[in-house]
Amino acid sequence: AQSVTQLDSQVPVFEEAPVELRCNYSSSVSVYLFWYVQYPNQGLQLLLKYLSGSTLVKGINGFEAEFNKSQTSFHLRKPSVHISDTAEYFCAVSNQGAQKLVFGQGTRLTINP
Amino acid sequence: EAQVTQNPRYLITVTGKKLTVTCSQNMNHEYMSWYRQDPGLGLRQIYYSMNVEVTDKGDVPEGYKVSRKEKRNFPLILESPSPNQTSLYFCASRWSGSPLHFGNGTRLTVT
Repeated sequence: AQSVTQLDSQVPVFEEAPVELRCNYSSSVSVYLFWYVQYPNQGLQLLLKYLSGSTLVKGINGFEAEFNKSQTSFHLRKPSVHISDTAEYFCAVSNQGAQKLVFGQGTRLTINP
Repeated sequence: EAQVTQNPRYLITVTGKKLTVTCSQNMNHEYMSWYRQDPGLGLRQIYYSMNVEVTDKGDVPEGYKVSRKEKRNFPLILESPSPNQTSLYFCASRWSGSPLHFGNGTRLTVT
């Protein structure tokens, strides 16, 4: 069975600073990996996904993530955050060919001016 | 506009009073799923459906029912709600192999 661990429940950063949100997963087979963002009072939106190919994946709003198979990680990064990036971020994993998506516990990103 | 629509957005009810949360998608997706979101626990899958008349349990199905009589609709039914079902619920759908599209959520309070 797969599992996902987001190592930080809350991350406060200053505006224009870089940020990294950490995600580790466990799975015995090849996986697909996703990051979703949830703005206040809204559903989840896809930020980016890794299915295959290049391990560095670029998403919307300037975010990127790197798939590291040896460390079973898929950390999310942004070089310079904005107030509008304040949201909760979820990492998720599914087995290739499987329907089930398993989510991490979420990381609340707070941007301070 | 492609979307997943849930109703209602907010619902307050009492223990034991049956309720239904509706979910409809206009993208002709085969796969639909219900999740509940609780602080510190992320999203946990309740039920999912691979196609019409095909449903299966997720990780936390106790106390819930679903049906899939039509491709576009996937209602979540709580026959006898209890306070531990107070949560934020999300419906989602997708094509096979593609990312999930989420509704805007239903915040349920059971007193």
